[in-house]
Amino acid sequence: DAMVIQNPRYQVTQFGKPVTLSCSQTLNHNVMYWYQQKSSQAPKLLFHYYDKDFNNEADTPDNFQSRRPNTSFCFLDIRSPGLGDAAMYLCATSSGPTGAYEQYFGPGTRLTVT
Amino acid sequence: GENVEQHPSTLSVQEGDSAVIKCTYSDSASNYFPWYKQELGKRPQLIIDIRSNVGEKKDQRIAVTLNKTAKHFSLHITETQPEDSAVYFCAASSDNAGNMLTFGGGTRLMVKP
Repeated sequence: DAMVIQNPRYQVTQFGKPVTLSCSQTLNHNVMYWYQQKSSQAPKLLFHYYDKDFNNEADTPDNFQSRRPNTSFCFLDIRSPGLGDAAMYLCATSSGPTGAYEQYFGPGTRLTVT
Repeated sequence: GENVEQHPSTLSVQEGDSAVIKCTYSDSASNYFPWYKQELGKRPQLIIDIRSNVGEKKDQRIAVTLNKTAKHFSLHITETQPEDSAVYFCAASSDNAGNMLTFGGGTRLMVKP
């Protein structure tokens, strides 16, 4: 089945220790998104790629970086995680070319910072 | 930019009753309005969406209505069941908004058996 896969599902990291979350998709979608979702809140867009074009949200901290080496994979790097970065991180894809298309979400990676 | 407000933030209904969740949006150019259901610890999943060229769409027990003039849209769930308990998010986007989808704040629906 075509899908969006996130690994790992649960990640524990220490304060300040870099961590990378991964996302892959078999949908062959042009657009890939990274969202941060804290408890009882809506998903907050961090950035997205339209093909190789990177789009950073204005209020995304510099501590968050992303890479998309090919159509199928996208990575979220948190350079120096703080306690406030503990959250669920959701990857999503859409066929684009605008936001007016369904977004398909992965199962998420729950990040704990100790 | 777009701003989406969602009400209520929590909703408790008895099994079999109807539930209505309302959203308003600010950008008159918005033309796509999806609703996502997120069960505890799971991914958001699209349950229904509507585009601005129609006023209502129905899929079994779920319906969405759109009032473009007033800039609001609503989710209606009839004959609610305990498995409808979840957080529901409305969202809005437009062809002019790049690839962005603006979410409402969410509604926690609890269906009591």
